Amino acid sequence: GAVVSQHPSRVICKSGTSVKIECRSLDFQATTMFWYRQFPKKSLMLMATSNEGSKATYEQGVEKDKFLINHASLTLSTLTVTSAHPEDSSFYICSATTTSGNYEQYFGPGTRLTVT
Amino acid sequence: QKEVEQNSGPLSVPEGAIASLNCTYSDRVSQSFFWYRQYSGKSPELIMSIYSNGDKEDGRFTAQLNKASQYVSLLIRDSQPSDSATYLCAVSGYSTLTFGKGTMLLVSP
Repeated sequence: GAVVSQHPSRVICKSGTSVKIECRSLDFQATTMFWYRQFPKKSLMLMATSNEGSKATYEQGVEKDKFLINHASLTLSTLTVTSAHPEDSSFYICSATTTSGNYEQYFGPGTRLTVT
Repeated sequence: QKEVEQNSGPLSVPEGAIASLNCTYSDRVSQSFFWYRQYSGKSPELIMSIYSNGDKEDGRFTAQLNKASQYVSLLIRDSQPSDSATYLCAVSGYSTLTFGKGTMLLVSP
């Protein structure tokens, strides 16, 4: 149980284009989904928290107009990196919590974004 | 500012030994504590959660929590080369997790 998927697993895009990453909870309803970014050999950095049907809460320093988050249902959240630049190249990972209230987060397999 | 501190390592242990990973946290109201394992190039995988003082055992893993000392640890018994990974300590007060930077564990055959 508690399986989270992400799509795509790997994407290469040109500078200036937008990329959408999907995060799905496959066997549970996720009250909250999280988006993280991880640069090589660095720790996980929380970008934003999203709850179904409401606006995402972004961490300090994360541009909400650049990283658009939509949490349309209890099983799907999307992250769109708009006008991507090479410095946005990173490993993007989503996670989700169940409705159990114990705050366990289950991570998706991640999406490796390369902007050329 | 909530902080979670871990020794970055690497912690090197021989196969079959006990690996001991430690973590301290700053926020006294923290309620939930987790250990994640992350292999290089992969996403974190939840391996243990602990919510009350004391020990919690699951197979070769034992998590220990001491809220008075604001200290969490993870013991891995009979360490295997496949346990070589970065171990992330995570602490939650409410809905978000604060992660430590992780301790790299190397288990040599």
